[in-house]
Amino acid sequence: QVQLLESGGGVAQPGGSLRLSCVASGFNFSSYGMHWVRQAPGKGLEWVAFIRFDGSYQFSADSVKGRFTLSRDNSKNTLYLQMNSLTTDDTAVYYCAKRAPRASFLFDYWGQGSLVTVSS
Amino acid sequence: AIQMTQSPSSLSASVGDRVTITCRASQGIRNDLGWYQQKPGKAPKLLIYAASRLQNGVPSRFSGSGSGTEFTLTISSLQPEDFATYYCLQDYNSPFTFGPGTKVDVK
Repeated sequence: QVQLLESGGGVAQPGGSLRLSCVASGFNFSSYGMHWVRQAPGKGLEWVAFIRFDGSYQFSADSVKGRFTLSRDNSKNTLYLQMNSLTTDDTAVYYCAKRAPRASFLFDYWGQGSLVTVSS
Repeated sequence: AIQMTQSPSSLSASVGDRVTITCRASQGIRNDLGWYQQKPGKAPKLLIYAASRLQNGVPSRFSGSGSGTEFTLTISSLQPEDFATYYCLQDYNSPFTFGPGTKVDVK
């Protein structure tokens, strides 16, 4: 079965950095684009960024553009989110999600989430 | 960016009720829309993709319709496990945007 397991969350100071990882299993990771989605405490869902199956391109929300970078290592079935210049507005649970095969860019499977708290 | 709105923002219903949630896009998005269900403390679950296609394993009481700018999610007979928050998401173009959510709770 498809499994996505995020790690790397924690507490960071404003202006600091964190790197999230997402290890995938149960599907051919190298064939699927991947997303990051976040949810601030008590708030709705916000799409963050997408990376193509081969890592050849990515795009992101304006709120993180220039600060967050996606990468992937298909040999390790792992997706990464490098988050720099963090602000308190970045406090959220971060989910990695797999692109659905029969939709445009929707995601069908999600990880359990990793909490990132930005606080001084 | 395409703005997504949902109505109502919350509703109270009983088991067995028919529930309809509406999602509107600020511009036409063809049928590039999905519906997700989220329960507290859990990751969202995909219910419907391409506006009307039922995701594998999702009960047939869930259905979706619409195209262009107006979409609906219908639960034909609400079950106890359906009390949750529902979000629409447009995947027509980036940035992909969610609606604000509709919370379905017990009347």
